[in-house]
Formats: sequence, C-alpha cells, structure tokens
Amino acid sequence: AQSVTQLGSHVSVSEGALVLLRCNYSSSVPPYLFWYVQYPNQGLQLLLKYTTGATLVKGINGFEAEFKKSETSFHLTKPSAHMSDAAEYFCAVSSYGNNRLAFGKGNQVVVIP
Amino acid sequence: GAVVSQHPSRVICKSGTSVKIECRSLDFQATTMFWYRQFPKQSLMLMATSNEGSKATYEQGVEKDKFLINHASLTLSTLTVTSAHPEDSSFYICSARPDRGVSKNIQYFGAGTRLSVL
Repeated sequence: AQSVTQLGSHVSVSEGALVLLRCNYSSSVPPYLFWYVQYPNQGLQLLLKYTTGATLVKGINGFEAEFKKSETSFHLTKPSAHMSDAAEYFCAVSSYGNNRLAFGKGNQVVVIP
Repeated sequence: GAVVSQHPSRVICKSGTSVKIECRSLDFQATTMFWYRQFPKQSLMLMATSNEGSKATYEQGVEKDKFLINHASLTLSTLTVTSAHPEDSSFYICSARPDRGVSKNIQYFGAGTRLSVL
C-alpha cells in the first residue's frame, strides 16, 4: 500500500519568503509523485509531477520539487511567496500501472503581506 | 489541454431525492475516471474507479447502491447519489486519466460539485 505524510496542516509564510512544504511517501514500488493545488471550492490543479528521469522537477507558478529516494521525500519549494499562492496543497503518490492516487492530508498555505 | 468539466458546480436538494453529477473529459479520451469525496478541511477520499464499458470498482465502505456510477462513453462518467440524505452533503470531485500520450499517468481533476442536502 502507498501512503503520503504531510506535516503541519497550516503553513504561514511571509510574502517574498521561501515556501517549503514537506512530503514523505511510502511505496513498495518505484513511485510516481505529484503536487496538486486547490483553491477554495475548486478542483485540484496539477503543479508538478515526477515519474522518471530528472529528480528535480519544475512546475507551474515557480514551484519545484525534488525526488529523494533515500529520504522517501518529495518536498515542494518556491523561492518567493506571492499572495496568489494562498491555497491548499496536496502531495500524492501512485505507481506504474496503478491508477490509484494516495493523497496526503494537505497543507493550507497562508501568505502574510 | 487535458481539461475535465464537472457539472453542476453546486446543487441543493431535498432529502430523499437523487442527484446526478457529470464528469467529462473535453479534449482527451479516458477509459478510467475517478470519483472522490472531500470533507471540509480534509483530504480527498477515493470513492470509486469508473471504467468505460464495465462496472465501477468501489472502495471499501462505499455503498454501490447509494452512489451509482455509469461510464457510458470514453469522455463521460456520471455519479448519481440516490435517495440523498444530509450526511451525503459534501464536495464531490471527479478526475480523468488520459488513455494515451505523455499525460497518461496523470489524473486531471474537475472543479468539483458542492452537494447540500436539506
């Protein structure tokens, strides 16, 4: 079974400061890893993904994440937070041939002016 | 590309009535779609996997007679909440996985449906 751990349900960050959201996964097979963002009363938008290849993945809106197999992590970062980054962020894991996504509990990001 | 449309975005109904939610992949074919439920301030819970041309696969604890899924074409899946009750009030989100192309390992999500049962 696959699972995802996201610690800290609420994350406050000052505008212009680094955004760091941690994600650790558990998977018995090589994982596919995803970060999704959700704005209020909306569905999920894909920020970035890792399937194979380069372990540092760049996504939309200036976000990036690095797959570290030895640490079973896929932390999300953005160098400088913007007010529009305020949203809920979910880390998810699946694997090749497995359609099922396992989601973490999410991080609610608040950007302080 | 890879747009998923979900309709309606919000529905309010009386207890005992049935509600149908549609999920369409607009620019790709999707043999497999998914239905999730999200409670306030919580993560997404997979309810079922919808397969075109065959029966849906329900997660443990999800009543298949309560949540009817029909995947009639490669671009449309519907979720019908039958005899809805207040405890069915929730945010329902669908996703679709492209059958081919570089995005075939990715689920694309609809905008969700807020169901309120009075």
